[in-house]
Amino acid sequence: DQQVKQNSPSLSVQEGRISILNCDYTNSMFDYFLWYKKYPAEGPTFLISISSIKDKNEDGRFTVFLNKSAKHLSLHIVPSQPGDSAVYFCAAIPYSGAGSYQLTFGKGTKLSVIP
Amino acid sequence: KAGVTQTPRYLIKTRGQQVTLSCSPISGHRSVSWYQQTPGQGLQFLFEYFSETQRNKGNFPGRFSGRQFSNSRSEMNVSTLELGDSALYLCASSSSALSSYNEQFFGPGTRLTVL
Repeated sequence: DQQVKQNSPSLSVQEGRISILNCDYTNSMFDYFLWYKKYPAEGPTFLISISSIKDKNEDGRFTVFLNKSAKHLSLHIVPSQPGDSAVYFCAAIPYSGAGSYQLTFGKGTKLSVIP
Repeated sequence: KAGVTQTPRYLIKTRGQQVTLSCSPISGHRSVSWYQQTPGQGLQFLFEYFSETQRNKGNFPGRFSGRQFSNSRSEMNVSTLELGDSALYLCASSSSALSSYNEQFFGPGTRLTVL
C-alpha cells in the first residue's frame, strides 16, 4: 500500500512559468518531508525539505508547502528553467525519536520544461 | 568533499548467483542507507546502518543483507538472485545527527541486471 503518492507521472511547463508538483501521503506518523531531483543515470539529489511543524519552506526558486490536515505537500518552482527537467521524488520520514532515516518515496513526477 | 561512491556501477549476473555491492559514504557520515529502484515499485528502502549496526529494515526477503564496517563503508549482498532483483541499487549517506533530521546524499547507484 503506497504511503506516499505522486499522482502525476509527468508534467510539461513552459520556461519561465511556474511548475507545481504535488504529493499526497497517508501515514500520520510522517514528520519530515523532502524533495529530490533525479537525472538519468545519477542518484537523487536533495532539493528542499520541510518539517511537519511548518507549512512553508523556501530556498531560492524552490518552495515547498505542507498542508497537514489534507496530508498534502507541493513543490513550486518559479521560474522554471530547462535545466529543471528531471524526475522529482517526494519522500517522507516517520517520527521515530531515535534518528532513523527510513525514507518512503513516491514514484516520481517527470518534469519537462519547454524552452 | 567527495560524494557517495558506489562500486561497481554496472553488474550482470544470472539467476541463482549472489552479488555484493559496495558503498563508501561521504567522509564523516556515519549513517548509510540502501534503496532499490525499479520502474514498477519506484524507490524502496532496504535497510539503514549506523555505527556498524542495522538500525532499520524495509520489507525485503532475507536474501537481501548488508553490513557496515568501522570506517562506515557498507556492503549489501543479495543471494540466490531472481529476475525481479534487476534494479538500480542506491546507497545514501547522512551525518545522522540525532537531534535533527538530515538530508541523505545519494550515490550514482549500481545497475544490476539478472539474466
